[in-house]
Amino acid sequence: GQNIDQPTEMTATEGAIVQINCTYQTSGFNGLFWYQQHAGEAPTFLSYNVLDGLEEKGRFSSFLSRSKGYSYLLLKELQMKDSASYLCAVRDWRSGANNLFFGTGTRLTVIP
Amino acid sequence: GAVVSQHPSWVICKSGTSVKIECRSLDFQATTMFWYRQFPKQSLMLMATSNEGSKATYEQGVEKDKFLINHASLTLSTLTVTSAHPEDSSFYICSANRGRLAGGTYEQYFGPGTRLTVT
Repeated sequence: GQNIDQPTEMTATEGAIVQINCTYQTSGFNGLFWYQQHAGEAPTFLSYNVLDGLEEKGRFSSFLSRSKGYSYLLLKELQMKDSASYLCAVRDWRSGANNLFFGTGTRLTVIP
Repeated sequence: GAVVSQHPSWVICKSGTSVKIECRSLDFQATTMFWYRQFPKQSLMLMATSNEGSKATYEQGVEKDKFLINHASLTLSTLTVTSAHPEDSSFYICSANRGRLAGGTYEQYFGPGTRLTVT
């Protein structure tokens, strides 16, 4: 099975930097995804890591260490609109069809 | 723009009735689609994998006779919640794989979701 763990809630200040951690255990790792989800809406893709290291995309960066089963999403220059849930998801090739398995999500609140 | 659509976006039905939710891939063919369910303040739970032209694969604990999935064409999958009960009230989201990423895996695009309320 897949064990994907991330903090339930975080609060950060507008303009600051926040790091959201995710740890996972899976038998057939085939990539880790980060999604953003605003309340009542579908998730939107933020980033993807399959190799170790840092992937940067504007204000968002994602890091992966496969040996440690660990990833983080880094959000810089926080804006109020970044208040959302951030979902860590792992793809497991052993489950077939490239299924995505999601963590519980981290609800981020950005305060002025 | 959106690459996966869902219809309806929200629906209210009475207990005991059935509800059909459509998921369409726009401008691309999806041999595989996924159905998720999300309860308030919880993450997405994979319900089933919908395969075009064959039976869906259900996750453990999901009743296949209650959640009927049909993937009759390369652009359409439907989820029918049969004999709905209030506990089936949830946010149902479909997704489809599109576009290869590094490592040979696919990016998964999500539909806008369907809010089902059973009274």
